[in-house]
Amino acid sequence: DQQVKQNSPSLSVQEGRISILNCDYTNSMFDYFLWYKKYPAEGPTFLISISSIKDKNEDGRFTVFLNKSAKHLSLHIVPSQPGDSAVYFCAASADKYGNKLVFGAGTILRVKS
Amino acid sequence: DAGVIQSPRHEVTEMGQEVTLRCKPISGHDYLFWYRQTMMRGLELLIYFNNNVPIDDSGMPEDRFSAKMPNASFSTLKIQPSEPRDSAVYFCASILGDRVGSGYTFGSGTRLTVV
Repeated sequence: DQQVKQNSPSLSVQEGRISILNCDYTNSMFDYFLWYKKYPAEGPTFLISISSIKDKNEDGRFTVFLNKSAKHLSLHIVPSQPGDSAVYFCAASADKYGNKLVFGAGTILRVKS
Repeated sequence: DAGVIQSPRHEVTEMGQEVTLRCKPISGHDYLFWYRQTMMRGLELLIYFNNNVPIDDSGMPEDRFSAKMPNASFSTLKIQPSEPRDSAVYFCASILGDRVGSGYTFGSGTRLTVV
């Protein structure tokens, strides 16, 4: 029972262009959504989050969009840089503090220079 | 702030042996989580603690797995006896619980190989 799905195992983007990573969820009780980035041999690093009361949140080059009716969120990285090459995990939580996260399987992003 | 510290980084053990993984959360954080990452199942939550008390252990796969948090600065995850299918990367994470949506801080993980 995959409650959080990242259907694209990998994505390749040219440096300077936009990277769009997608995530779908099935549990309508989720009210916090987060994106993590992971480099090899390291733990995941928190990137950006969004509450279900919002539809957009920006932090520098990173923007997360939430479409609750479609149960879909996306992460936009503009402009993409080679250092952004990593695995990106979408995660969701149904508890009031945004804890007890359920993670997607991850998408490998490769930014080519 | 040294971050979440896990030890060992790598562990290779024989089937049937006891394995203990260790975690030191960030000072002041009141939630601690143990996750396991495998190719088949991705990142899955095993157990989490709040103020040293186990809150939800529904993700612990079997009775062979146990976790403790004797104080605010230390937690262990024990597998006894270990089996080859336990091979995975085990992550510990912590957070200050009222930081809504601010994300966990993960440790670097312990790569466990059971042969």
